[in-house]
Amino acid sequence: GAVVSQHPSRVICKSGTSVKIECRSLDFQATTMFWYRQFPKQSLMLMATSNEGSKATYEQGVEKDKFLINHASLTLSTLTVTSAHPEDSSFYICSARDGYYGYTFGSGTRLTVV
Amino acid sequence: QKEVEQNSGPLSVPEGAIASLNCTYSDRGSQSFFWYRQYSGKSPELIMSIYSNGDKEDGRFTAQLNKASQYVSLLIRDSQPSDSATYLCAATSGGGADGLTFGKGTHLIIQP
Repeated sequence: GAVVSQHPSRVICKSGTSVKIECRSLDFQATTMFWYRQFPKQSLMLMATSNEGSKATYEQGVEKDKFLINHASLTLSTLTVTSAHPEDSSFYICSARDGYYGYTFGSGTRLTVV
Repeated sequence: QKEVEQNSGPLSVPEGAIASLNCTYSDRGSQSFFWYRQYSGKSPELIMSIYSNGDKEDGRFTAQLNKASQYVSLLIRDSQPSDSATYLCAATSGGGADGLTFGKGTHLIIQP
């Protein structure tokens, strides 16, 4: 089946620093990838849609200057959390539509800002 | 505002019984529906997708869709302790360009 690789799986950073999360489609090309955030005991909330070669589309309430998304190729999208604060601590998950299996998810990144 | 509603549970079901999970959605433009299973601290795993009214069966799982009632359900037959997880219902308007709107999930516990 389709595989989406996400790295790192876990990261701890200091408040005020930036963190980059990578999402790769390993065996298919993904013109569109999606980034979600999940707080404890909450559901996944769509943050933004990442489009290859163009600007990302952000959901209402998501700060585009804080969550920078780059989709430079058909297999790679990155999410950079800039000037991270403790309230940004969450589980970040990427997803890609592979055209057959549906929406395949990466393994997620647990971000802790201290 | 697109919403997907689920009973958060926990839903407790004896091993070997049928677990019934329900979901309603608010956006009549939704065309594709998915059930995911999520274990604590892990990413969601796709259980089933359904696009047309009626039932869709895959092994022990049956998804049901009623667009007129804006209702989706998932039945798990012969429930096993390994089925214990949070089940997420998700919807999208389709086309592949839109992300998924998720419900909050139902926590299912299969009692041995």
